[in-house]
Amino acid sequence: GAVVSQHPSRVICKSGTSVKIECRSLDFQATTMFWYRQFPKQSLMLMATSNEGSKATYEQGVEKDKFLINHASLTLSTLTVTSAHPEDSSFYICSARTGYTQYFGPGTRLTVL
Amino acid sequence: AQKVTQAQTEISVVEKEDVTLDCVYETRDTTYYLFWYKQPPSGELVFLIRRNSFDEQNEISGRYSWNFQKSTSSFNFTITASQVVDSAVYFCALSGGTSYGKLTFGQGTILTVHP
Repeated sequence: GAVVSQHPSRVICKSGTSVKIECRSLDFQATTMFWYRQFPKQSLMLMATSNEGSKATYEQGVEKDKFLINHASLTLSTLTVTSAHPEDSSFYICSARTGYTQYFGPGTRLTVL
Repeated sequence: AQKVTQAQTEISVVEKEDVTLDCVYETRDTTYYLFWYKQPPSGELVFLIRRNSFDEQNEISGRYSWNFQKSTSSFNFTITASQVVDSAVYFCALSGGTSYGKLTFGQGTILTVHP
């Protein structure tokens, strides 16, 4: 149990375009999901907390107008990187919480050309 | 503020050796949770264990064992008889009662097990 999926696993896009990443909890409902960013050989950096039915809470320094988060249901949260630029290239990971534990998706590798 | 320190950046061992990954944490919360996650080369974080601050019992799961010591604020992870498949980045993480479920991660320890 406690499986989280993420789609797509890899995406390459041109600078200036928007990219949407989906995060789904497959076998449980998650009122709270989290979005992380991970640079090569570094730890995970929390970007925002996504609560079902309400606005996301962004960490300091994360541009909420650039990284749009929607948590439309108890099993789906989406992250949209708007007007992506090469510096947005990274590994984006979501997690869904059940009880006191977060379970992570497989990640999405975004490359912006 | 919460902090997790994994002082070992990289560890290299030969198969069948035992290896311990250290984790030291700081928090002002009286109730908190500690976690270990494994991140293999594929990138997906795999949940290994959760411990709450009121349960200092050590835990063993197969070749994995965890030593939680509140007195030293440590939550160390030992792999017995390591295998090549154990090669991964291991993260220790902390979630405090006042952080609303947010995880504070350590920097991770890269474990390489050589055949």
